[in-house]
Formats: sequence, structure tokens, C-alpha cells
Amino acid sequence: SQTIHQWPATLVQPVGSPLSLECTVEGTSNPNLYWYRQAAGRGLQLLFYSVGIGQISSEVPQNLSASRPQDRQFILSSKKLLLSDSGFYLCAWSCLAVTYEQYFGPGTRLTVT
Amino acid sequence: SQQGEEDPQALSIQEGENATMNCSYKTSINNLQWYRQNSGRGLVHLILIRSNEREKHSGRLRVTLDTSKKSSSLLITASRAADTASYFCATDAYGSARQLTFGSGTQLTVLP
Repeated sequence: SQTIHQWPATLVQPVGSPLSLECTVEGTSNPNLYWYRQAAGRGLQLLFYSVGIGQISSEVPQNLSASRPQDRQFILSSKKLLLSDSGFYLCAWSCLAVTYEQYFGPGTRLTVT
Repeated sequence: SQQGEEDPQALSIQEGENATMNCSYKTSINNLQWYRQNSGRGLVHLILIRSNEREKHSGRLRVTLDTSKKSSSLLITASRAADTASYFCATDAYGSARQLTFGSGTQLTVLP
């Protein structure tokens, strides 16, 4: 069966510090991968998606970047965090050859102080 | 911009009652999905309804879709305290099936 991992679960970082959040998927090949951010009490905002290694599409201009160095690994990064980067970050995968459903990881709670 | 908007924003009911949540969207869609999120957790897919379908059932869930009104509803029958969660609709449009646009969600509280 497929599983998706995200770490860390929670993170407190000062303004101006770098960021690296990691997401890995097991049990599937060539998934579509997604990074979302969720503000408190709000819906999800799609930040990046990837349909293959090295292929990244950005949905909104921002202080963040994403990379996909391996087929089942998706990384969200920042060189210098802003206060507005605080939020709940969710990674998801899908396999469009089978279904349009997306499967979500447990999320990372980021607080920028 | 938000494609789907849920209504109400919050709903509180007694165990055993039915809960109905609504979702409106703006553009033509390929399909519409409903997800559930327990507090502080990831989202879990509940049900998908295609644009050519009008109603779909899964256990205690019933979803309807009215493409002429660009709206959908999620009905949870015989609710349980464990149904307490946020519920989101998500749409994907023709030509962009890789991307989902989520609404702002309905917070459902089921009181024991």
C-alpha cells in the first residue's frame, strides 16, 4: 500500500532563517506531487506541483521554492523565512492514470517568530 | 482565488442528526471532490462526483452536484461524534486535472 511521510511535524524558526521540509511517498511510481499551505481556519492554497523529477510548477509568487530530486521525494525550501510563511504545510500525491484523488501527508506546522 | 466556497462556515448538531454542507464554485469543472480534515491533520478523500453525475452515495455520505447552479452538497446521515472535523470541497477544471482548488471549508461539530 502507498504511504506518504512528511517531516518535521512541527517547526519553529526565526525570521530570516532557511527552511527545508521534506515529503516522501512509498508504494507508487511516478506520482504527481503537491505542496499546499493552509492558514488557520482556511482552505488549502496550492503552492507547487510536480509531474516528474526536476519538473516543478509554481502557482503563486512567493518566498518559497520546491525541488524534486528523486521520483518520490518532494522538498519545500526557503532561503530566508518571513513571518507570513507561518502556516500548516501539506504534501500530497496523486496518480492520474488511476484517479483524480489526492492523498495527503500528516502536515508540518511552521511557526516563524 | 477560491474556486469552491463552502456554506455554512460552521455547523453544530446533535449526534444522530443529519448534517448538510454546501459548496459553490465559479467555473466549469471536470469533477468535484469532498475531503475531511481532523484538527491538525492531513486531508482524507471522502468521495468524488464527476460532472456528468448528479448524485453519489458512499456509506452514510450522499453527494449531489448541480452543474447548472455550480453547486454541490454533502449530506452526512446519522452523524456521530467522530464525524467532527472540517469538510472541504475541491474542484478541478477541464484542462487542469492535475490541480485541485479547495474551498475554505465547513467546520462540523457533532455533540454527543
